[in-house]
Amino acid sequence: GAGVSQTPSNKVTEKGKYVELRCDPISGHTALYWYRQSLGQGPEFLIYFQGTGAADDSGLPNDRFFAVRPEGSVSTLKIQRTERGDSAVYLCASSLLSGGRVYNEQFFGPGTRLTVL
Amino acid sequence: AQRVTQPEKLLSVFKGAPVELKCNYSYSGSPELFWYVQYSRQRLQLLLRHISRESIKGFTADLNKGETSFHLKKPFAQEEDSAMYYCALNFNKFYFGSGTKLNVKP
Repeated sequence: GAGVSQTPSNKVTEKGKYVELRCDPISGHTALYWYRQSLGQGPEFLIYFQGTGAADDSGLPNDRFFAVRPEGSVSTLKIQRTERGDSAVYLCASSLLSGGRVYNEQFFGPGTRLTVL
Repeated sequence: AQRVTQPEKLLSVFKGAPVELKCNYSYSGSPELFWYVQYSRQRLQLLLRHISRESIKGFTADLNKGETSFHLKKPFAQEEDSAMYYCALNFNKFYFGSGTKLNVKP
């Protein structure tokens, strides 16, 4: 079946603009995660959804970042007033079981490369 | 605080040589540890997890609580093992190391 998909694959924007990044998880996966990966670093946790609700948003760096998952499937990561430091690859992952301390496997999307000029 | 440390950015070995990718973690409870791999132009994928005590593609990893390590090992490296390897710790959320690029030379 289809894996996790993310759109767009690349996004170039100007400083101060608003962007939305979309994630389509694997059908039936209840848990969804967003990560940010800067050059030379591993993925950094941003937010985790269990169903429609954000179970843990402690990784969001500031209030310019927001994510929603209104129907428990597709999720959108929203970044307001983008800054050059927001440039990174944004990864989405989904898993079948709940997150936290469950030994679930996360399936990753290809990522969206965001460049803020 | 850095939860997962991968001290080597790059590891180069010749085909057939043993390889060990180091991972140390910081967590006082019972950790859940994973190794993820990203081959060139592919997405990040799970390689193995400590709870399964499995060997995948010839790789194994043993959890050493005393040394807080979860090193990834393979006795005979193959060229197709060349990739980025990330160690990850899960407690409530995932913490990834900064990754080690493994380059297996012919």
